Amino acid sequence: DAGVTQSPTHLIKTRGQQVTLRCSPKSGHDTVSWYQQALGQGPQFIFQYYEEEERQRGNFPDRFSGHQFPNYSSELNVNALLLGDSALYLCASSGIRASGVGRGNEQFFGPGTRLTVL
Amino acid sequence: RKEVEQDPGPFNVPEGATVAFNCTYSNSASQSFFWYRQDCRKEPKLLMSVYSSGNEDGRFTAQLNRASQYISLLIRDSKLSDSATYLCVVTPNAGNMLTFGGGTRLMVKP
Repeated sequence: DAGVTQSPTHLIKTRGQQVTLRCSPKSGHDTVSWYQQALGQGPQFIFQYYEEEERQRGNFPDRFSGHQFPNYSSELNVNALLLGDSALYLCASSGIRASGVGRGNEQFFGPGTRLTVL
Repeated sequence: RKEVEQDPGPFNVPEGATVAFNCTYSNSASQSFFWYRQDCRKEPKLLMSVYSSGNEDGRFTAQLNRASQYISLLIRDSKLSDSATYLCVVTPNAGNMLTFGGGTRLMVKP
């Protein structure tokens, strides 16, 4: 059973560029959440997608946008990159049909994409 | 004020020691509580959920105090492999946005 996968693993961009990160959820999961983790800090919620729609959004500017496809995979797009966007971007999947340990709707994280903006 | 606050540490303890971490949260509407573990340059992984009645999983014990809005994690008989960052997490309800604390770093020494 494949877990959550993300691509690419590392990425280097320059200020002003645009980037697209990809996530495939764990088998049986239908909900994808994206988080940004700056160095030395805890992850911060960006947004969550369910049934191809953004269901909830954190305190991030419109430069951050996303998409969910019919197969439940998701993309995170960031436009007009700033130096401060350098971080580890984590994707987490969950779903009503999920199985495994924990009570409730546990979110499983992928290994992340490390973005460096120069 | 951050929604979830933790002492960043690091906590340096010898093998076999007992160590406790606390976490406070500001949103009284929070419904679900978790401890996640994150190894260096890896993704967070769920360590345990935290229930109002308290719960134990082997050497790990989690407690929730809703009145004071704090959560604790106790690790007994520390192992070298327990060295990691422990993240306190709250959410309005399971499955929705997770709000993380900044993490507490634990280093267990031989």
